[in-house]
Amino acid sequence: EPEVTQTPSHQVTQMGQEVILRCVPISNHLYFYWYRQILGQKVEFLVSFYNNEISEKSEIFDDQFSVERPDGSNFTLKIRSTKLEDSAMYFCASRDLPGTGGASTGANVLTFGAGSRLTVL
Amino acid sequence: AQSVTQLGSHVSVSEGALVLLRCNYSSSVPPYLFWYVQYPNQGLQLLLKYTSAATLVKGINGFEAEFKKSETSFHLTKPSAHMSDAAEYFCAVRGRDDKIIFGKGTRLHILP
Repeated sequence: EPEVTQTPSHQVTQMGQEVILRCVPISNHLYFYWYRQILGQKVEFLVSFYNNEISEKSEIFDDQFSVERPDGSNFTLKIRSTKLEDSAMYFCASRDLPGTGGASTGANVLTFGAGSRLTVL
Repeated sequence: AQSVTQLGSHVSVSEGALVLLRCNYSSSVPPYLFWYVQYPNQGLQLLLKYTSAATLVKGINGFEAEFKKSETSFHLTKPSAHMSDAAEYFCAVRGRDDKIIFGKGTRLHILP
């Protein structure tokens, strides 16, 4: 079954450092997302991306965050200068176009990766 | 705006007993509703989805959920709990816009 893969699985960084989290979405998917989950809290939407541009972003996604699809397969989340409160699990997700996909996919179903745990010291 | 509320951050049931995880939603448009499960150290896996077809939705691993518009609920059930069902369960809603909004999650504990 196709899956979304994320690297690294865990990254520890010093406050103020730049971090890049990488995601390889499912190959025929065109919509991409980043969510985060601070320990013990709910999964929060960060940003959605379609057709090489951001389609929507939350108030969490400030100027310290950026996303990029540098080639045909990777989808990255960059945090320019990490803060302690950026420590969280970051999930990448993707979905395909409306009307496509099987019973387990389909227009409104996001397929999530296993997540990248970011620890900022 | 859409939102979901999950009642109970922790639920414990005995193995073989009924599982009931509660979710209420708020949406200004007919919603798409989802249940996702997160096993330890893993990502979010779709259990089932409601997209305005049948109100009773069957998912994987024996789970099902019923959409009740009058109660704005989408509770998740399973007739007989198994030890492998221990995980965190998230109810989620998608409205007219592109993003999915998650609830805070309910951690399900299975007692032997």
